[in-house]
Amino acid sequence: EPEVTQTPSHQVTQMGQEVILRCVPISNHLYFYWYRQILGQKVEFLVSFYNNEISEKSEIFDDQFSVERPDGSNFTLKIRSTKLEDSAMYFCASSEAGRLETQYFGPGTRLLVL
Amino acid sequence: AQKVTQAQTEISVVEKEDVTLDCVYETRDTTYYLFWYKQPPSGELVFLIRRNSFDEQNEISGRYSWNFQKSTSSFNFTITASQVVDSAVYFCALSEAYSGTYKYIFGTGTRLKVLA
Repeated sequence: EPEVTQTPSHQVTQMGQEVILRCVPISNHLYFYWYRQILGQKVEFLVSFYNNEISEKSEIFDDQFSVERPDGSNFTLKIRSTKLEDSAMYFCASSEAGRLETQYFGPGTRLLVL
Repeated sequence: AQKVTQAQTEISVVEKEDVTLDCVYETRDTTYYLFWYKQPPSGELVFLIRRNSFDEQNEISGRYSWNFQKSTSSFNFTITASQVVDSAVYFCALSEAYSGTYKYIFGTGTRLKVLA
């Protein structure tokens, strides 16, 4: 069964460094999402992406965040200058056209900012 | 505004007991979807069920059952004869057609501990 994959599974970085989290959505899906879960808290929507542009973003998704689909298979989340409070689990999700209500989640990337 | 409330922060039960996890939602839309996810200690989100707003039938899947009541805006989840492997955090989530992207709004989760 097709699945969403994410790399790396864990990343440790120093405050102020840039990180790129990578996702490979399910191949025929056209809608992509990032969510964040700070340790012990709920999962929060960050951004949705369709047709090479952001379709919706939350208040959390400020100027230090960006998303990109650099090729036909990858979907990335870049954090330009990480802060301690960016430490979280980041989930990528994708959905297919006509079935947006069903998102398939990747296993997550656990980011730790020191 | 859309909101999902899981009032139970943590529940502990002894193995073989039945347990119900509560979920109450708020939505401005008539078309919406409700979900339950399990998050084990490893951290991934495991999909359990999806229910759309037009289908109020309750559902049973093995030891799991779900009670959807639009009149009270609730979508509760019951585990029958709980097992230690059921120990996890369980999240309820809402997705609305109003939001063109169908973004998910999650509740704060309920941590279930099943003791042997």
